[in-house]
Amino acid sequence: AQTVTQSQPEMSVQEAETVTLSCTYDTSENNYYLFWYKQPPSRQMILVIRQEAYKQQNATENRFSVNFQKAAKSFSLKISDSQLGDTAMYFCAFMIPLVRGGGADGLTFGKGTHLIIQP
Amino acid sequence: SQTIHQWPATLVQPVGSPLSLECTVEGTSNPNLYWYRQAAGRGLQLLFYSVGIGQISSEVPQNLSASRPQDRQFILSSKKLLLSDSGFYLCAWIYDGNEQFFGPGTRLTVL
Repeated sequence: AQTVTQSQPEMSVQEAETVTLSCTYDTSENNYYLFWYKQPPSRQMILVIRQEAYKQQNATENRFSVNFQKAAKSFSLKISDSQLGDTAMYFCAFMIPLVRGGGADGLTFGKGTHLIIQP
Repeated sequence: SQTIHQWPATLVQPVGSPLSLECTVEGTSNPNLYWYRQAAGRGLQLLFYSVGIGQISSEVPQNLSASRPQDRQFILSSKKLLLSDSGFYLCAWIYDGNEQFFGPGTRLTVL
């Protein structure tokens, strides 16, 4: 079974600063997907970024980027030029690919980090 | 484009009452569908998974059940609610790229 650990229950930074959210995971699989989801006060789960384990290049999406360290089983999220709208719960999640039967397990989530962007 | 709907958005039910939450997906066929529950201050827990009509897999033993009467409809039910069933229920479907997309969720309060 896979586990996902987010060690920072809450973080607070000033607007325009850069913030990094930590995530570690444990698995015996070699091929898998990692995700960061954002959950604002509306509680809608929004996909922020996705990383495929077989790709060495770190994924980026505008102000969001990841630092994927496969050997260390670490997957941190960096938010640059943080904005007030970035205030939300952020969840790290793991999934085995569908073609390997991962669909049955769905996503394994960490407990989340509450990120607060101060004006 | 694909969209996913859930209703009701909010529900307050007494202990021992039945439950029916509905999820429907538009713009795709034969999706893999999921029910997750998020308890207060916690992450998401997978409850049920379905690959097709009438095919349901349960991840966590509980007094909840799921059904898939149509290709794009997924229903979460209970015959008698418990206080511990309170939480935020999310339906999700999986996209070709192994990404899961979530519905807006249902907030259930059991009193």
